[in-house]
Amino acid sequence: DAKTTQPNSMESNEEEPVHLPCNHSTISGTDYIHWYRQLPSQGPEYVIHGLTSNVNNRMASLAIAEDRKSSTLILHRATLRDAAVYYCINTGANSKLTFGKGITLSVRP
Amino acid sequence: EAQVTQNPRYLITVTGKKLTVTCSQNMNHEYMSWYRQDPGLGLRQIYYSMNVEVTDKGDVPEGYKVSRKEKRNFPLILESPSPNQTSLYFCASSMRGLSSRYDNSPLHFGNGTRLTVT
Repeated sequence: DAKTTQPNSMESNEEEPVHLPCNHSTISGTDYIHWYRQLPSQGPEYVIHGLTSNVNNRMASLAIAEDRKSSTLILHRATLRDAAVYYCINTGANSKLTFGKGITLSVRP
Repeated sequence: EAQVTQNPRYLITVTGKKLTVTCSQNMNHEYMSWYRQDPGLGLRQIYYSMNVEVTDKGDVPEGYKVSRKEKRNFPLILESPSPNQTSLYFCASSMRGLSSRYDNSPLHFGNGTRLTVT
């Protein structure tokens, strides 16, 4: 499986944009980039995914580098409810879908 | 409602007493997986299954067994639990399977099972 690396933590102010980075330098050409988040006391939930082009949905945007070796999850206006652990993983044929430690986002009021 | 259901939510047991944590999904998903979550270690995969009767080890399979006799169920079996298996366990499922057609399908997670082994 392609390994992803993320910073341990990040802080943001409420109502400001947040950019959460992820490096996946060993990603293969057919691997998708998925982001999940885990709110306190809950199971992880899907946020967004992409392959090559940038993606937008109601929760967030995903910016994928041209060489696909990194990506950035963008929360356009952070709220207190966005405080969570965010995981970036690569998925592809026969991949195990392994997660790492994720990045812990704190949002200041 | 589409969901992944784990039971029980909480379980306290003693060392060596066999236990099973059940996981069921109602979305006709081919892929199912078990993870454990420990402070500071993130989510670590225990076992996964790409389809019925197809299972494989994840990163931390020691001390665990699984079976996939039918598509909807993927129980996690601890034959002889030990205190180091005290953890929060999550089951997940996805449409992805042996075909690459659904490689981009997201994972759906259950609400977790908190296991304490004394």
